[in-house]
Amino acid sequence: DTAVSQTPKYLVTQMGNDKSIKCEQNLGHDTMYWYKQDSKKFLKIMFSYNNKELIINETVPNRFSPKSPDKAHLNLHINSLELGDSAVYFCASSRTGGNYGYTFGSGTRLTVV
Amino acid sequence: AQSVTQLDSQVPVFEEAPVELRCNYSSSVSVYLFWYVQYPNQGLQLLLKYLSGSTLVKGINGFEAEFNKSQTSFHLRKPSVHISDTAEYFCAGLTGGGNKLTFGTGTQLKVEL
Repeated sequence: DTAVSQTPKYLVTQMGNDKSIKCEQNLGHDTMYWYKQDSKKFLKIMFSYNNKELIINETVPNRFSPKSPDKAHLNLHINSLELGDSAVYFCASSRTGGNYGYTFGSGTRLTVV
Repeated sequence: AQSVTQLDSQVPVFEEAPVELRCNYSSSVSVYLFWYVQYPNQGLQLLLKYLSGSTLVKGINGFEAEFNKSQTSFHLRKPSVHISDTAEYFCAGLTGGGNKLTFGTGTQLKVEL
C-alpha cells in the first residue's frame, strides 16, 4: 500500500554504465519530483513534472534524463555514470502547487564504483 | 542567500529534556513552511506544515512549530524528547514562485540517555 514507491532500493554499478530508477505514486497527485541527497544529507531538487509535462529542470548534467509516461510514474535514467553521481535519489509527489507538502519515497542509494 | 537556514547542524539532548530546532527563511520563500524528519536509512516523513491561520502548528510525534513572520522563523519544538526521536530534521519552504520545495541543510537531533 506504499504511497510513493521507488525501485531499486540499492544500486551498485560501475563507472560508465547506464542505469534507471523507477518511481510510482498511488496518491492521485499531479506533480512528481526527483531529489538528490548528497553525502552531507543536503537535498536538492533535480526535476519536476506536472501531468507529464516538465516544469522544473535544475542545473543537472544532461546525462540525467527523466521520463514521465503518465502522471503516476516518473523514471530517472542516468547515462555514463560517474563517481560523483553516488548519492541517494528520492522521488516525491504532490498536488499541483505543492502547498500541502510533498510525499517522498524511501529512496534509492546509488553507488558508483 | 540561503532560502531556508538551519543554523544548528547537530543538537545533542538528554532524553525527556525539551528541544528546539531552529529554522529561518528568506523573503524568497512563500509562507508555506514544513518540517520533515528522516530516520536513518529511510525517506522523509512530513512532521507538520504551516499554510495559514494559527501560528502554532501541531504535528505528529508530539512536535510543534511556531510561525513568526516578524522574525522570519519557523522553529520546531518538543517538550520532552525520546530516544526514538534521534533523526535528521529538515525545514523546508516553497520557493520559485511556489513551484519547488527548498530544504535547509538539516539538523541532526541526537537524544542520549
